[in-house]
Amino acid sequence: GDSVTQMEGPVTLSEEAFLTINCTYTATGYPSLFWYVQYPGEGLQLLLKATKADDKGSNKGFEATYRKETTSFHLEKGSVQVSDSAVYFCALSEGRDDKIIFGKGTRLHILP
Amino acid sequence: DAGVTQSPTHLIKTRGQQVTLRCSPKSGHDTVSWYQQALGQGPQFIFQYYEEEERQRGNFPDRFSGHQFPNYSSELNVNALLLGDSALYLCASSSGQGANSPLHFGNGTRLTVT
Repeated sequence: GDSVTQMEGPVTLSEEAFLTINCTYTATGYPSLFWYVQYPGEGLQLLLKATKADDKGSNKGFEATYRKETTSFHLEKGSVQVSDSAVYFCALSEGRDDKIIFGKGTRLHILP
Repeated sequence: DAGVTQSPTHLIKTRGQQVTLRCSPKSGHDTVSWYQQALGQGPQFIFQYYEEEERQRGNFPDRFSGHQFPNYSSELNVNALLLGDSALYLCASSSGQGANSPLHFGNGTRLTVT
């Protein structure tokens, strides 16, 4: 079945460092891909999405490109801030419905 | 404009008991999905309700059941609780169908089974 694999955390970086969180997926069709973020004590929020190959999703300085050839959707940010500390989930959705399949999440700690 | 609201925020139950969790969707949303998030894991899809019917279901036993009301709010019921049911239960709402309809999540209900 469909699945998402993302790099294990925690990831600890200093403020202004470059961030990459790797994500690969397995799907039978052509899924839409997402990154969700969960800040401490809050619910999941959609960070960005891409619905077809070569699409780039972006939001709040974060970017991810839908790579069909490598079945990847890596999350990147050029300069992280302390406020980016959270858990990040890579996810996919396939078909006409809203069912989302999530990865296990990557906890990110940014040190001032 | 209130987002997705869930109640209660925390709950402690004993093994074998039954529990009901509640969710009010974001205004204008008609579809409600429920997810279970075990500690250190990603959310797992339980089921989805649309037009008061279960539209699809994940890999969860029949002990997990739900309901959607005419005002689109929803309940998740879990019978014969097991220790392994301890988790954060997330409700998400959306409007219409398809992945272009973004999900809005509530803050969840933390269920502890002792």
